[in-house]
Amino acid sequence: AQSVAQPEDQVNVAEGNPLTVKCTYSVSGNPYLFWYVQYPNRGLQFLLKYITGDNLVKGSYGFEAEFNKSQTSFHLKKPSALVSDSALYFCAVTPWDNFNKFYFGSGTKLNVKP
Amino acid sequence: EAQVTQNPRYLITVTGKKLTVTCSQNMNHEYMSWYRQDPGLGLRQIYYSMNVEVTDKGDVPEGYKVSRKEKRNFPLILESPSPNQTSLYFCASSLLDGGSEQFFGPGTRLTVL
Repeated sequence: AQSVAQPEDQVNVAEGNPLTVKCTYSVSGNPYLFWYVQYPNRGLQFLLKYITGDNLVKGSYGFEAEFNKSQTSFHLKKPSALVSDSALYFCAVTPWDNFNKFYFGSGTKLNVKP
Repeated sequence: EAQVTQNPRYLITVTGKKLTVTCSQNMNHEYMSWYRQDPGLGLRQIYYSMNVEVTDKGDVPEGYKVSRKEKRNFPLILESPSPNQTSLYFCASSLLDGGSEQFFGPGTRLTVL
């Protein structure tokens, strides 16, 4: 069965410190991987994606993510957190054999304290 | 402005009373999808559509119906809502190539009493 795991319900970091939000997946073949962010009372917004190529992908608002095939992980990172980064983050995958189906993780709430 | 709209944004109803949540996009996207968001479960895909008159089940289709008669619209129909369908629902659209980002609507909060 296809699945996505975000092992941390919540991540707390101080402003200016680096942040990591973890994501691992169990999907057949070579999936496409995505990160989305949700601010309170809003829909999800796209941050970045990995399709192929360089394992480090850069996205919106200074976020980046590292694809690790051997560990089936796609962790979201940012070198210096901002208070405005506080939000709910979702990892999502779509399997190679059906790019119309999407599987989301349970979400990680990022709290950045001043 | 490129956007996905959903109506209504909030709905309280009673068990068994048929309802429809509308979704419309103005980006000429082929792909549209419905998700429900529940605490601790993230988003789960209900149905998706690759184009007009082409729809397929996601992970949690039971109790839901969809139709795609026009490219821009993708309504979600609950013929006989039950309390376990109380949730936050999102519609999304994208180009049909798998690797495209999805654009999400603002969400519809549904409560079934």
